[in-house]
Amino acid sequence: AAGVIQSPRHLIKEKRETATLKCYPIPRHDTVYWYQQGPGQDPQFLISFYEKMQSDKGSIPDRFSAQQFSDYHSELNMSSLELGDSALYFCASSLARGRFSEQYFGPGTRLTVT
Amino acid sequence: GNSVTQMEGPVTLSEEAFLTINCTYTATGYPSLFWYVQYPGEGLQLLLKATKADDKGSNKGFEATYRKETTSFHLEKGSVQVSDSAVYFCALSVVSGGGADGLTFGKGTHLIIQP
Repeated sequence: AAGVIQSPRHLIKEKRETATLKCYPIPRHDTVYWYQQGPGQDPQFLISFYEKMQSDKGSIPDRFSAQQFSDYHSELNMSSLELGDSALYFCASSLARGRFSEQYFGPGTRLTVT
Repeated sequence: GNSVTQMEGPVTLSEEAFLTINCTYTATGYPSLFWYVQYPGEGLQLLLKATKADDKGSNKGFEATYRKETTSFHLEKGSVQVSDSAVYFCALSVVSGGGADGLTFGKGTHLIIQP
């Protein structure tokens, strides 16, 4: 079965640079979520989109922005990168939002800021 | 706000032992509850879920029951295998009028099964 696709899988950037992470949800899924997982930490919810509109906002820094496109893929844009942004970034998708929807996670993008 | 508390590891067991990983939660609304598993270097996989009180989620020999009276969702397995070694996350999701639907995770429990 098709899964969530994230690209790139690994990314190395320097401080103050920008980065763009991409997420391709499972076909027919209309909701996308972004999470950040620091080393040895639990995933922290950043932001979500439903039908191309922002649905919910978590602990996303102002330096980060995201959007969902007409084909439902999503991009997380990160500017003025800091060392503390080094983490695993997961995208998840679900079919519609709501308490009965299951979120399926991609393999993650490992961002290293040097 | 919403929060999840789970026992922190590492938890080390011998193969075929009984497993319990405790999870309790605090939620502002009526949550759905999940257990996710993360193998080294991989993403999170949904293990099981429950969406209302007294529901029992089960998968691959793992079970968890949604206990509203004790706000708990403990994970159990009768006989663990070496291949069960991974990090287990308890999580909740609450949908409110504000549309809060991101998952809130516990800190994760690292499970190590020895042959």
